[in-house]
Amino acid sequence: SQTIHQWPATLVQPVGSPLSLECTVEGTSNPNLYWYRQAAGRGLQLLFYSVGIGQISSEVPQNLSASRPQDRQFILSSKKLLLSDSGFYLCAWGASGQETQYFGPGTRLLVL
Amino acid sequence: GIQVEQSPPDLILQEGANSTLRCNFSDSVNNLQWFHQNPWGQLINLFYIPSGTKQNGRLSATTVATERYSLLYISSSQTTDSGVYFCAVAENKLSFGAGTTVTVRA
Repeated sequence: SQTIHQWPATLVQPVGSPLSLECTVEGTSNPNLYWYRQAAGRGLQLLFYSVGIGQISSEVPQNLSASRPQDRQFILSSKKLLLSDSGFYLCAWGASGQETQYFGPGTRLLVL
Repeated sequence: GIQVEQSPPDLILQEGANSTLRCNFSDSVNNLQWFHQNPWGQLINLFYIPSGTKQNGRLSATTVATERYSLLYISSSQTTDSGVYFCAVAENKLSFGAGTTVTVRA
């Protein structure tokens, strides 16, 4: 069966520090991968999605970037964090050609 | 983009009660999903239902695509049903509603 992992689970970082969040999927190949952010008490906002290695589409201009160095690995990064980057970051995967998305456990990021 | 409105924003239920959550969307979609986010933040897929009716245990959902709405029914609610229920729709990428926060009291 397929599983999706995210780490770290929780992160507290100072303003201006770099960020790297990792997401990996097991049990499938060539998945579509997604990064979402959820602000406190609100819905999810799509940040990036990828349909293959090295292919990244950005949905919202921001202080973040994404990379997909391997088929089942999706990384969310920032060179310098802002206070507004705080939130709950969720990675999701979907089988190519299918509509359903499955979410990882998320990373809670607090920027101080 | 597609606008997604969920109602009510908050719902408090006594254990054993039934409830209906609604999702309205602004345009034709080929993908509609219902999720439950538990208190720990995990999003659980409930239904993929771009049209028609599905049932899974005490939960069921109906989407009337021509009228651009979907309903999620919770019957005989339990405390474990507490959390936030999200509707998400897509023509190509998922757009989420703001969610309905459900609290089931024992």
